[in-house]
Amino acid sequence: AQSVAQPEDQVNVAEGNPLTVKCTYSVSGNPYLFWYVQYPNRGLQFLLKYITGDNLVKGSYGFEAEFNKSQTSFHLKKPSALVSDSALYFCAVRENSNYQLIWGAGTKLIIKP
Amino acid sequence: DAGVIQSPRHEVTEMGQEVTLRCKPISGHNSLFWYRQTMMRGLELLIYFNNNVPIDDSGMPEDRFSAKMPNASFSTLKIQPSEPRDSAVYFCASSQTLEPYNEQFFGPGTRLTVL
Repeated sequence: AQSVAQPEDQVNVAEGNPLTVKCTYSVSGNPYLFWYVQYPNRGLQFLLKYITGDNLVKGSYGFEAEFNKSQTSFHLKKPSALVSDSALYFCAVRENSNYQLIWGAGTKLIIKP
Repeated sequence: DAGVIQSPRHEVTEMGQEVTLRCKPISGHNSLFWYRQTMMRGLELLIYFNNNVPIDDSGMPEDRFSAKMPNASFSTLKIQPSEPRDSAVYFCASSQTLEPYNEQFFGPGTRLTVL
């Protein structure tokens, strides 16, 4: 069965420091992986996705994510955090043969000035 | 591009009343999804459509919930009768197709409060 884990409920980072939001997944086939961000009282916004090819995926707002097949991980990263990056981040996975997205529980990212 | 449009943005109603949530997907998108988000249960997929046809409604919690998509530009999620435990934020999302590599685009959500 497909599953996604975001092991950290909350991540605290100082502004200007690099940030990482972790995501691990479990699928039986080839995964399609997604990151979304949700700002307070807003809908989810698509950040980036991994389909195939280069393991390092670049997305919106300076975010990137690295697909690691051996560790079944897809961690979200940014070299220098901004206070405006504070939000709720969701990782999601879909198997090649399955239409349904499986969502992680979300990680609250807090960037302190 | 206006994005996914949902109405109303906020709905407060009393237990037992009928509630109808509305969604207009992005033009040209063939797939539409209804989600519910609560603190306790996170993001739950309720039902999704492809080319206006319901594909999977296994996430619909009870028979009190129903969803329709009469045409490519409109969908409704109805709760009748509503109960306090239905209080949540309901999101509609659309994607170009159901292909697994397509991302979903979310509307701003409808915050439902059932008293």
